[in-house]
Amino acid sequence: RKEVEQDPGPFNVPEGATVAFNCTYSNSASQSFFWYRQDCRKEPKLLMSVYSSGNEDGRFTAQLNRASQYISLLIRDSKLSDSATYLCVVIGSARQLTFGSGTQLTVLP
Amino acid sequence: DTGVSQDPRHKITKRGQNVTFRCDPISEHNRLYWYRQTLGQGPEFLTYFQNEAQLEKSRLLSDRFSAERPKGSFSTLEIQRTEQGDSAMYLCASSLVLADRERAFFGQGTRLTVV
Repeated sequence: RKEVEQDPGPFNVPEGATVAFNCTYSNSASQSFFWYRQDCRKEPKLLMSVYSSGNEDGRFTAQLNRASQYISLLIRDSKLSDSATYLCVVIGSARQLTFGSGTQLTVLP
Repeated sequence: DTGVSQDPRHKITKRGQNVTFRCDPISEHNRLYWYRQTLGQGPEFLTYFQNEAQLEKSRLLSDRFSAERPKGSFSTLEIQRTEQGDSAMYLCASSLVLADRERAFFGQGTRLTVV
């Protein structure tokens, strides 16, 4: 089983839609959680950290469920510019960033 | 530009040749990571440094791969006797770990093609 698993998609949604991604992790000792965004042939860029209490940054909401070992990302009022691959990242007890394979999102006009 | 810098951006090499990539992290960042990414996959961990100490190496990192971070500043990743399977994007990231909080930032990567 992979340490971090994501639904690869693709998710194709119309502009203005709300879309949610989930990510599960296997190491219960994992300590820190992030969502990164990666555009085609570019480097991953930090989108947001994920805190235990859940956190919001504009149209983006991240949540963590430690009991079920999953993380979610909700994007409201999606824009064309949100089209990208969204990577779930977990820092476990080994203190290294472990990435999921990514979920591809395409927002359609 | 004060971000993570990687050099070269692209490298084409013949199978069997050695290649070396460089990463300059964000100054004052104490942690530096190397990752490899192939099409359709997330970045795969290769190794990381805390200052100049190499703390962990992935099982993916064969004897042909070596990384250094002298003086805890820039880092180099060398691949000896390259194989076609080494073709990938090699990404470097740096972070500052404070009070158990960490935010890592990536360079633009070095795209390696082995022909």
